[in-house]
Amino acid sequence: DSGVTQTPKHLITATGQRVTLRCSPRSGDLSVYWYQQSLDQGLQFLIQYYNGEERAKGNILERFSAQQFPDLHSELNLSSLELGDSALYFCASSVYGSTDTQYFGPGTRLTVL
Amino acid sequence: QQPVQSPQAVILREGEDAVINCSSSKALYSVHWYRQKHGEAPVFLMILLKGGEQKGHEKISASFNEKKQQSSLYLTASQLSYSGTYFCGTGGGSEKLVFGKGTKLTVNP
Repeated sequence: DSGVTQTPKHLITATGQRVTLRCSPRSGDLSVYWYQQSLDQGLQFLIQYYNGEERAKGNILERFSAQQFPDLHSELNLSSLELGDSALYFCASSVYGSTDTQYFGPGTRLTVL
Repeated sequence: QQPVQSPQAVILREGEDAVINCSSSKALYSVHWYRQKHGEAPVFLMILLKGGEQKGHEKISASFNEKKQQSSLYLTASQLSYSGTYFCGTGGGSEKLVFGKGTKLTVNP
């Protein structure tokens, strides 16, 4: 158990819908990262937040947005969902920045039908 | 840019050794190694930082050649539990961490 929690574990929805994925980092960690992993693909970095502020951005679509709240939990919002958005979405946290160990949550499996 | 991992896949018998390589076209500040079992979250193995510092908590060793922008992960006397996909991530500091496509390791009895 990494100490990072993600909800929900599974999510099945239809094209065009909007969903919210939630992540709670390990106690004491200030950075939260979001990754997308499609079938047989590597980890694609989406976005990083540090202590409530956006720190780094990766290949995140405009239809996706994220935020980190004062209690440091983070949410990833996916809208106008397409079939290709079906993937495992991981959240990770670290104490400070990306030179620190990143601890991954169990992931949310999103299926868009 | 995404680092390149080699080999893409390797099959071992228990007790054999393996080396997984990770190379980047960019100057490296840090290299992170993770192992992921099917359907599970990636698990931290090791971080190698520019300047020689290493952080890890498993009996796995790695090297980091800053000049060649390469890192190698050494798995010795492999066990069945070593099976999984190994990812290297490069970058660090103010830059995002970019992961390679992974190396699938299968250890057979």
